[in-house]
Amino acid sequence: DAGVTQSPTHLIKTRGQQVTLRCSPKSGHDTVSWYQQALGQGPQFIFQYYEEEERQRGNFPDRFSGHQFPNYSSELNVNALLLGDSALYLCASSSTGEAFFGQGTRLTVV
Amino acid sequence: DAKTTQPPSMDCAEGRAANLPCNHSTISGNEYVYWYRQIHSQGPQYIIHGLKNNETNEMASLIITEDRKSSTLILPHATLRDTAVYYCIVRVVGGATNKLIFGTGTLLAVQP
Repeated sequence: DAGVTQSPTHLIKTRGQQVTLRCSPKSGHDTVSWYQQALGQGPQFIFQYYEEEERQRGNFPDRFSGHQFPNYSSELNVNALLLGDSALYLCASSSTGEAFFGQGTRLTVV
Repeated sequence: DAKTTQPPSMDCAEGRAANLPCNHSTISGNEYVYWYRQIHSQGPQYIIHGLKNNETNEMASLIITEDRKSSTLILPHATLRDTAVYYCIVRVVGGATNKLIFGTGTLLAVQP
């Protein structure tokens, strides 16, 4: 049983560009949450998707948006990238129990 | 903001028990205590959770005080591979509010 998978593992973007990160949840999980982790900090909650709708959102600007597909996979989109968006982006899937995390996507904005 | 406070770092000798404390004095009656750990550059890994009773699994034990205002995660025989940042999180289970709010955690360094 594959766990939570994220792609790509690393990418480099230029300021002002747009990026899409992808996440496939663990089998049997219907809820996907996204987190941003800056260097030396704990993960910060961005938003959560359930039944293809954004159910809850953290303190992130509208440049951060997402989508959940009927197969429960999810995308995180970030527009107009800033240098400060450089971070590890983590996807977590859950159902009624504990959340399982993927290995993350390391985004570097230059 | 995180509802937990943890020491920023701890050391432990390999083979000894590692006891990681966490304070959560404002915990609500419907909030569980969760522990995750994050090995460098990897995603957080679930360890254990509990409501008010002590819990044990193959990875660790969780001791929650009777007033539920603090807890201790115990790794009974620490190995070098247990070196990681350990996060203590309080979380409501079920419903819409099941996000995880991470603090800065405790960096556990297991020494040979």
